[in-house]
Amino acid sequence: EAGVTQFPSHSVIEKGQTVTLRCDPISGHDNLYWYRRVMGKEIKFLLHFVKESKQDESGMPNNRFLAERTGGTYSTLKVQPAELEDSGVYFCASSLGLAGFYEQFFGPGTRLTVL
Amino acid sequence: DAKTTQPTSMDCAEGRAANLPCNHSTISGNEYVYWYRQIHSQGPQYIIHGLKNNETNEMASLIITEDRKSSTLILPHATLRDTAVYYCIVRSSNDYKLSFGAGTTVTVRA
Repeated sequence: EAGVTQFPSHSVIEKGQTVTLRCDPISGHDNLYWYRRVMGKEIKFLLHFVKESKQDESGMPNNRFLAERTGGTYSTLKVQPAELEDSGVYFCASSLGLAGFYEQFFGPGTRLTVL
Repeated sequence: DAKTTQPTSMDCAEGRAANLPCNHSTISGNEYVYWYRQIHSQGPQYIIHGLKNNETNEMASLIITEDRKSSTLILPHATLRDTAVYYCIVRSSNDYKLSFGAGTTVTVRA
């Protein structure tokens, strides 16, 4: 069974540019999550999808970030325009169920560098 | 507000058991104790979780004290590939978010 995949693995862009990160969850996992770790900080929750619906966007830092999950399959996270403080590693995770006893499976992350 | 307290770092000898402590003195009755780890340049990886009974799987054992205020993750025979940051996370059955703290950096030495 394929795990969570993320693309690209690494992205280097200049301040003000746009970047789109993609996450493909494990097949059949309705729940999809985005987390990130910015430099020197802890891994923080960004948002949660159930199928194509956003359930919780409380962790999204500002309106420069837009997440979508059309059709309830893969998800994209767009940063527009990117700022220096957006640099970090963005993780995607998926789970079969929602409750606390369902483990979340993480992808390898996308390392974003904004110059 | 941190729900768990872990040591910042610890070393372990290859082949020996690694015992990772975690304090969660404010844990409530419906909260589980989860352990994840992050090996360098990879995403976090689920290890084990428990509510009040001790648990064991192919990766590790989880020992939870009777009052549930602390727990210990045991890696029975640490290998160099177990070098990682280990996170102890308290999470309720209704909580879908994972709240990662700083974790414990475990270095397994040959």
